[in-house]
Amino acid sequence: DQQVKQNSPSLSVQEGRISILNCDYTNSMFDYFLWYKKYPAEGPTFLISISSIKDKNEDGRFTVFLNKSAKHLSLHIVPSQPGDSAVYFCAASAPGGGADGLTFGKGTHLIIQP
Amino acid sequence: GAVVSQHPSRVICKSGTSVKIECRSLDFQATTMFWYRQFPKKSLMLMATSNEGSKATYEQGVEKDKFLINHASLTLSTLTVTSAHPEDSSFYICSATDRSSYGYTFGSGTRLTVV
Repeated sequence: DQQVKQNSPSLSVQEGRISILNCDYTNSMFDYFLWYKKYPAEGPTFLISISSIKDKNEDGRFTVFLNKSAKHLSLHIVPSQPGDSAVYFCAASAPGGGADGLTFGKGTHLIIQP
Repeated sequence: GAVVSQHPSRVICKSGTSVKIECRSLDFQATTMFWYRQFPKKSLMLMATSNEGSKATYEQGVEKDKFLINHASLTLSTLTVTSAHPEDSSFYICSATDRSSYGYTFGSGTRLTVV
């Protein structure tokens, strides 16, 4: 049973427009959520996170929104740039400093069109 | 599809002993597997990249003699933590890709505690 789901395997967005990547989770114990970005042949790098006590966290062009009642979070990138083309992973952890570590979604491949 | 099974999910071992963690791709051939370690602030550190049939490529600062990685088949990679110390206690997670697509699947992770 997948506890973290990214239902869109790929997403194509025009340069300069907004990219919205979605993530759903089923475990109500999750209290911390992270987004990772991965380029080919490299490991994922941390992008942005949000605690369950917040509903929004912003860092430059990246904003993560959390809707706890819907168990849904999204990553907004605006404006989208060619360098944003990568695979984005949503991850979640439960209380206790991540005793069970992180649970990852399967990723969404974002393609920024020139 | 694209399931990666990691075993064990939790392990406790004594200092000085060795622990083996397995990562299996269940329904695809994983030409490349990656091993990560999660640190307390929840960031992931890439430890090494292993391609089937060849030696693993370790990231700078990762002791290859301590963290032995074997990728003997297209469906199995193992990470052996040798002569474990309490500071090796961490969450280790693998991921695998078949390179034919952009697919990249994570295992469920292993919580290692060295006492």
